[in-house]
Amino acid sequence: GAGVSQTPSNKVTEKGKYVELRCDPISGHTALYWYRQSLGQGPEFLIYFQGTGAADDSGLPNDRFFAVRPEGSVSTLKIQRTERGDSAVYLCASSLSSGSTGELFFGEGSRLTVL
Amino acid sequence: QQQVKQSPQSLIVQKGGISIINCAYENTAFDYFPWYQQFPGKGPALLIAIRPDVSEKKEGRFTISFNKSAKQFSLHIMDSQPGDSATYFCAAGTSGSRLTFGEGTQLTVNP
Repeated sequence: GAGVSQTPSNKVTEKGKYVELRCDPISGHTALYWYRQSLGQGPEFLIYFQGTGAADDSGLPNDRFFAVRPEGSVSTLKIQRTERGDSAVYLCASSLSSGSTGELFFGEGSRLTVL
Repeated sequence: QQQVKQSPQSLIVQKGGISIINCAYENTAFDYFPWYQQFPGKGPALLIAIRPDVSEKKEGRFTISFNKSAKQFSLHIMDSQPGDSATYFCAAGTSGSRLTFGEGTQLTVNP
């Protein structure tokens, strides 16, 4: 597809379970971002990849959150021992290399509900 | 230092009116100031952006005004239309790096 693709679109899980959220960026975009958006709030930065490496992971709230991008394309956000407070829409965005205008192209998000 | 403050939280405008949303930032290292538009169930999409070397940028009905000394910028939507009803986010950052978003303004344009 032409845009950023995120799966699943909706995920309901129980407290304490493990969750993986997938992001497939726009082809050719080397930068990939994960944001979290709670209801009525703006997107909150989690982590940024430039290629395969995490260039900035300072937004990850704690060590239960982890993200990978092993081949510099698809990325997976992993959440261990989920808590009710993790419920949010997880947004992925991609952009051209760091020398670009900075425009982020967002996917439609994965809505996570932790019961 | 990383905060971006946005106001108002919600805004109701009549069709044909002007919508104005304001943002303020603290970090003087920011050099990129975009506005994103988000419809329900969708991800944010870039609307218009400005860099601090200009004080105003206009694209169609959308204008960003930028005041570097006051560390403030605003979005003006001229001739607002019902189709403009959405949530608007200002953001700030440095090119190619993380963006810090405001909390959003829910705009409703009444027909």
